[in-house]
Amino acid sequence: AQSVAQPEDQVNVAEGNPLTVKCTYSVSGNPYLFWYVQYPNRGLQFLLKYITGDNLVKGSYGFEAEFNKSQTSFHLKKPSALVSDSALYFCAVRDPGGYNKLIFGAGTRLAVHP
Amino acid sequence: SAVISQKPSRDICQRGTSLTIQCQVDSQVTMMFWYRQQPGQSLTLIATANQGSEATYESGFVIDKFPISRPNLTFSTLTVSNMSPEDSSIYLCSAQRGQGNTGELFFGEGSRLTVL
Repeated sequence: AQSVAQPEDQVNVAEGNPLTVKCTYSVSGNPYLFWYVQYPNRGLQFLLKYITGDNLVKGSYGFEAEFNKSQTSFHLKKPSALVSDSALYFCAVRDPGGYNKLIFGAGTRLAVHP
Repeated sequence: SAVISQKPSRDICQRGTSLTIQCQVDSQVTMMFWYRQQPGQSLTLIATANQGSEATYESGFVIDKFPISRPNLTFSTLTVSNMSPEDSSIYLCSAQRGQGNTGELFFGEGSRLTVL
């Protein structure tokens, strides 16, 4: 069965520093991977996805993520964090060989301090 | 992207009652899903809302408790039946355009239910 893990409940970063939010996955074949962000009392917003091709994908708000097949990881990164990036981040996976459902990780709370 | 509107945005309900949540998408979509989220926690898929046929439920969720309708390509409802305090949660509607597994899902703002 497909699954995704986010090993950190919370990540703390100083404004202006680079940030990384970690994600690892488990699927039977090649994965389709997604990152979403959720601000307080809001729905989820799509950031970026990896389907195929270049391992480095760029998304909204200056975020990017690197797909690493050997490490089964899809870490979210940003070169310079903003206080406004503080939110809950979810990694999600779809098994291309399975049904259409999107399975989410537990979420990582990002806190960017001034 | 698609704009998804959910009603109600929040409600306080009495134990034993039922509540129907409506989800309206601003354009036709191929797939619609219902998720549940405890505040600050991950999302759990309840079911896939199939247009013109019965919803497909995930393990642990049954039609009698969470009946779902999807009469057309832009609208779906989720009913939480015979509610108990354990049903207090945020219920999120999501949708996808296009076929297959490569498209991203778009989400509504959620419906926060509190059951007393």
